[in-house]
Amino acid sequence: QKEVEQDPGPLSVPEGAIVSLNCTYSNSAFQYFMWYRQYSRKGPELLMYTYSSGNKEDGRFTAQVDKSSKYISLFIRDSQPSDSATYLCAMSENTGRRALTFGSGTRLQVQP
Amino acid sequence: SQTIHQWPATLVQPVGSPLSLECTVEGTSNPNLYWYRQAAGRGLQLLFYSVGIGQISSEVPQNLSASRPQDRQFILSSKKLLLSDSGFYLCAAGLAITDTQYFGPGTRLTVL
Repeated sequence: QKEVEQDPGPLSVPEGAIVSLNCTYSNSAFQYFMWYRQYSRKGPELLMYTYSSGNKEDGRFTAQVDKSSKYISLFIRDSQPSDSATYLCAMSENTGRRALTFGSGTRLQVQP
Repeated sequence: SQTIHQWPATLVQPVGSPLSLECTVEGTSNPNLYWYRQAAGRGLQLLFYSVGIGQISSEVPQNLSASRPQDRQFILSSKKLLLSDSGFYLCAAGLAITDTQYFGPGTRLTVL
């Protein structure tokens, strides 16, 4: 079993839809949770960063963490064609190593 | 904010040839530095990380090596490339006080 599971998609939605992206994990020591967006042939770009459980909102993006269920989500409101990309979840323990464990990514396509 | 540079952007090398990929970081001091490899359609695999000059930790035994000759310079090397070394190589920098990491644009390596 992988430490972090993420549905690879592709997920295709019409423009303006609400998108829900999810990851589950098995390591209860994870405390930091991130979402990255990666366009084709580019490096990942940090979208959201959350410590422990709770919600965080930034513009059209909302990140949710439920540590009791070991489940994290990213919601995108009013999705745009420019949101078409691969979304990677990442998480880490509170150690000096500070290395991230990534999901394999979900490919999102927003149709105009 | 920090900026991460990587070069070259693309590289095609024959099997058995040497490799040197370079990463430099601007805008921060004493970052944690990381090398990841991303195979097509897959997540990111951590190869090496460094918490300071000359301090390198290897995550995956292989024919690759890393060095950090200066605070904001990280180099990935190989003496003899294998076909399986093909992939997208990403350098990342992280701050010690958080677990967020910022990525460079990547180097796409094809070994023929």
